[in-house]
Amino acid sequence: DQQVKQNSPSLSVQEGRISILNCDYTNSMFDYFLWYKKYPAEGPTFLISISSIKDKNEDGRFTVFLNKSAKHLSLHIVPSQPGDSAVYFCAARTWGNDYKLSFGAGTTVTVRA
Amino acid sequence: EAQVTQNPRYLITVTGKKLTVTCSQNMNHEYMSWYRQDPGLGLRQIYYSMNVEVTDKGDVPEGYKVSRKEKRNFPLILESPSPNQTSLYFCASSLRLGGTDTQYFGPGTRLTVL
Repeated sequence: DQQVKQNSPSLSVQEGRISILNCDYTNSMFDYFLWYKKYPAEGPTFLISISSIKDKNEDGRFTVFLNKSAKHLSLHIVPSQPGDSAVYFCAARTWGNDYKLSFGAGTTVTVRA
Repeated sequence: EAQVTQNPRYLITVTGKKLTVTCSQNMNHEYMSWYRQDPGLGLRQIYYSMNVEVTDKGDVPEGYKVSRKEKRNFPLILESPSPNQTSLYFCASSLRLGGTDTQYFGPGTRLTVL
């Protein structure tokens, strides 16, 4: 049973607009969340993360929001650029186990010119 | 250049023929891990290693073996591959998870078992 769910397999957005990617989780023991970006024929690369004690983390065009009560996090990309077209994975770490990550199924983002 | 390398990148084999996928990192990371990526399921952890000679099962360890005899290498062994192990495999390494320590992934190995 997947504990991290990305319910939107794909997202298409106009260049310059905001991309919002969503992620839901079921395990209340998750204490750290990460987003990874993956281009075709390459491995995932780390994008941004957030601790469960925070509700927002920002890094340039990327912002992650965490709503613990709803067990929901989202990634905002503003403004979206063609190079942002990729698959985005949400991942979560279990408290007390630094070595195990649970990943969502991924969302494919396409940025239209 | 800091990197995680995997070999081979592509492999087609037949059921039951033992194979090994190698993984090597040059960052002196303690932690290494193997994942498989399947459509609709994302990345699922197979095995991970916290340091030399220390390994543990992930979510989907059945049919796989690993070893960590040296810090830089973490090979994935399929003793008797089956078609349900056809997948895209990624090796990753990091100092540890969380904080500013992120996982670095290799480029992937596309395995097909006939």
